[in-house]
Amino acid sequence: EAGVTQFPSHSVIEKGQTVTLRCDPISGHDNLYWYRRVMGKEIKFLLHFVKESKQDESGMPNNRFLAERTGGTYSTLKVQPAELEDSGVYFCASSQDTAGRMHYEQYFGPGTRLTVT
Amino acid sequence: KNEVEQSPQNLTAQEGEFITINCSYSVGISALHWLQQHPGGGIVSLFMLSSGKKKHGRLIATINIQEKHSSLHITASHPRDSAVYICAVHHTQNYGGATNKLIFGTGTLLAVQP
Repeated sequence: EAGVTQFPSHSVIEKGQTVTLRCDPISGHDNLYWYRRVMGKEIKFLLHFVKESKQDESGMPNNRFLAERTGGTYSTLKVQPAELEDSGVYFCASSQDTAGRMHYEQYFGPGTRLTVT
Repeated sequence: KNEVEQSPQNLTAQEGEFITINCSYSVGISALHWLQQHPGGGIVSLFMLSSGKKKHGRLIATINIQEKHSSLHITASHPRDSAVYICAVHHTQNYGGATNKLIFGTGTLLAVQP
């Protein structure tokens, strides 16, 4: 079974440009999470999808970030326009839908390293 | 102050030593993860636990919910254990499958020297 995949692995863009990151979760996983690690800081939660619905987007830094998960399969995270402080590693994770359970294991993708110059 | 604190931030050990990494948290949780990230590698979940103790090979994780503290132990450490070890907690705001985001510590960089 394929794990969580992310594309691209690296992206270097100039300030003001647009970048779209993609995450393909493990097949059958309804829950999809986006996280980000900025240099020298801890990994921080961005948002959580359950199927195609945004369950929690409290971690999205501002309206330059737009996440979508049309059809409830893969997800994209668009940054427009990118700023220098957006540089970091963006991780995606997925987990099964376990109704009635309070917690479940998350499987992480390899991350996308975004550099804004 | 972070909601999840790890110590130490950096740790250098000699091969064969017993290693302990600590994690303290200040929020209500439903479970705690220990994660591993090798240099240039992805994040791998080592343990998810909500009580007591779990063991996998040379790795042992314990949690004390009352004290809001967890430890990760590595017995007979080996250079291949060199990695960043991250503690993350499930901060449950609602029950029954609602949002279950992870809050992360800053990680502990472990270097095991031969």
